[in-house]
Amino acid sequence: KAGVTQTPRYLIKTRGQQVTLSCSPISGHRSVSWYQQTPGQGLQFLFEYFSETQRNKGNFPGRFSGRQFSNSRSEMNVSTLELGDSALYLCASSLGLQGAATTEQYFGPGTRLTVT
Amino acid sequence: ILNVEQSPQSLHVQEGDSTNFTCSFPSSNFYALHWYRWETAKSPEALFVMTLNGDEKKKGRISATLNTKEGYSYLYIKGSQPEDSATYLCALNTGFQKLVFGTGTRLLVSP
Repeated sequence: KAGVTQTPRYLIKTRGQQVTLSCSPISGHRSVSWYQQTPGQGLQFLFEYFSETQRNKGNFPGRFSGRQFSNSRSEMNVSTLELGDSALYLCASSLGLQGAATTEQYFGPGTRLTVT
Repeated sequence: ILNVEQSPQSLHVQEGDSTNFTCSFPSSNFYALHWYRWETAKSPEALFVMTLNGDEKKKGRISATLNTKEGYSYLYIKGSQPEDSATYLCALNTGFQKLVFGTGTRLLVSP
């Protein structure tokens, strides 16, 4: 069974630009969550999508947005990039069924974004 | 804001040593506690999903306990091996797959 894939793996952007990251979940998984990892803050939850609907959102500015397609693939967009957005962005997939907090979440390898 | 703390921040042991880490949290306002192992340049790997007070899980040389009344979870590694070197993360599932992570314990096992 193929794991969670993320593209691209590395990205360099300039301040003020926008960027789109992609995540393909494990086949059959309908939930995709996004996390940001920075050295100072650790892993921070961005948002979660299930069946094309955002169910949960972390404390990030509106410049961070996402969406999910009917095949469960998800994209994350960051507009007007700032230097502080440089981070490793991870996505995780799970079955995501209601009341299934005990199911495992499987992480992708991440996209390393550098903003200059 | 749910604050998840892990201790120690880092640990250096010799091959064969047994070790344990702590994950502590201020309240039991969550649905499950997850443990992950994150090796450099790889994806975080799920170790355990813990539910209910008194839950215990074991996988090979690694085991974990959860005490929601006292606000902590322990992860034990028996007879550490160099391949156990990684960062160990705990996270609380607060609903709809949202995980609140601790900052992790970095383990280095020397041969």
